[in-house]
Amino acid sequence: EDQVTQSPEALRLQEGESSSLNCSYTVSGLRGLFWYRQDPGKGPEFLFTLYSAGEEKEKERLKATLTKKESFLHITAPKPEDSATYLCADLTTDSWGKLQFGAGTQVVVTP
Amino acid sequence: DAGVTQSPTHLIKTRGQQVTLRCSPKSGHDTVSWYQQALGQGPQFIFQYYEEEERQRGNFPDRFSGHQFPNYSSELNVNALLLGDSALYLCASSPRQAATQYFGPGTRLLVL
Repeated sequence: EDQVTQSPEALRLQEGESSSLNCSYTVSGLRGLFWYRQDPGKGPEFLFTLYSAGEEKEKERLKATLTKKESFLHITAPKPEDSATYLCADLTTDSWGKLQFGAGTQVVVTP
Repeated sequence: DAGVTQSPTHLIKTRGQQVTLRCSPKSGHDTVSWYQQALGQGPQFIFQYYEEEERQRGNFPDRFSGHQFPNYSSELNVNALLLGDSALYLCASSPRQAATQYFGPGTRLLVL
């Protein structure tokens, strides 16, 4: 069964202290790997879609990378407004549209 | 360009009651998916609708049902509510050919 695991569960960073979040997946037929940001009580906000190993995408202080079994979300020089829960999800080639989510990494950035 | 909209934003029900949640997809999107998110967990897939038919279903009982209308909007119905149905219910939309789903703000359901 497809499983998505995120680590760490929680991360506390000082402003400007770069770090990486990990997302591992078990499925072999990957149609896409997705990163979302979620603020408390809100719906997930789309960040990136990655389709194949070696692909990288960037947006402001965030950079997502993909290998055959993992994806990383790098946060460079974070600011307090980057505080949120970051969710990753995969979509398999034999699925119509079921996103399989991890439990998320809660990031807190302090000034 | 309006994003995905959901109504109501909050809802309180008692055990055994029935509830209907509504979703309007992003402009240009024809596929709608529903997810349930319990506190502290990632969203869990309930089902997806395309061309007014349920195309894929997650591991949820028949108490959860849905509908898609010709204008692509969708409803999620939950019968015989249980305390464990308390959660944030999320709607996501996408164009059929695309993999990326865009989420609405959610409906917070509390079952007492």
